[in-house]
Amino acid sequence: AQSVTQLDSQVPVFEEAPVELRCNYSSSVSVYLFWYVQYPNQGLQLLLKYLSGSTLVKGINGFEAEFNKSQTSFHLRKPSVHISDTAEYFCAVMGIQGAQKLVFGQGTRLTINP
Amino acid sequence: DTGVSQNPRHKITKRGQNVTFRCDPISEHNRLYWYRQTLGQGPEFLTYFQNEAQLEKSRLLSDRFSAERPKGSFSTLEIQRTEQGDSAMYLCASRRTDRVNTGELFFGEGSRLTVL
Repeated sequence: AQSVTQLDSQVPVFEEAPVELRCNYSSSVSVYLFWYVQYPNQGLQLLLKYLSGSTLVKGINGFEAEFNKSQTSFHLRKPSVHISDTAEYFCAVMGIQGAQKLVFGQGTRLTINP
Repeated sequence: DTGVSQNPRHKITKRGQNVTFRCDPISEHNRLYWYRQTLGQGPEFLTYFQNEAQLEKSRLLSDRFSAERPKGSFSTLEIQRTEQGDSAMYLCASRRTDRVNTGELFFGEGSRLTVL
């Protein structure tokens, strides 16, 4: 079984400031890792994913994340945020074998202040 | 790809009524998943299908919930005798698991249920 902990339920930042959203996971098997974004009253949109290879992955809208196997972390970063980045962000893991269902964290609400 | 389509987008019902949600996955996606999301929480897995076979059901899926994918294409999620605790966003997602396997699930916009 897998589990995900997003360490911050809310993160307020000023526009053009850098941001890091933290994610730790637990799993007894190898996993894929994902970050999804959810805008109000919308479904989930994939930001980026780690399947294998380079531990630094780049996604849409200038976001990137680094997979750290020893610390079982997959933190999301952006060097300069915009008002349009205001949304809920979800970290998720997927066991490589079997049902391959996503297990989500509780989410981090990112609020960008002008 | 036309994306994952869910209907209806919103449903308001009275306690005790039955409701049904429909999900049309991306064509050629052999796996289809249902999730439930309550306010301020991450989505929780309910069940998934490989083609028409329902392969796993979460303990969250009580006997009042039933899901089908009769021809391996669209799926329905029915909730019988709704309760106020069923109020949530119901999300459908699909993916393919053949050689073109990008790992990700593609989500629909969701169906929001409000039980009065």
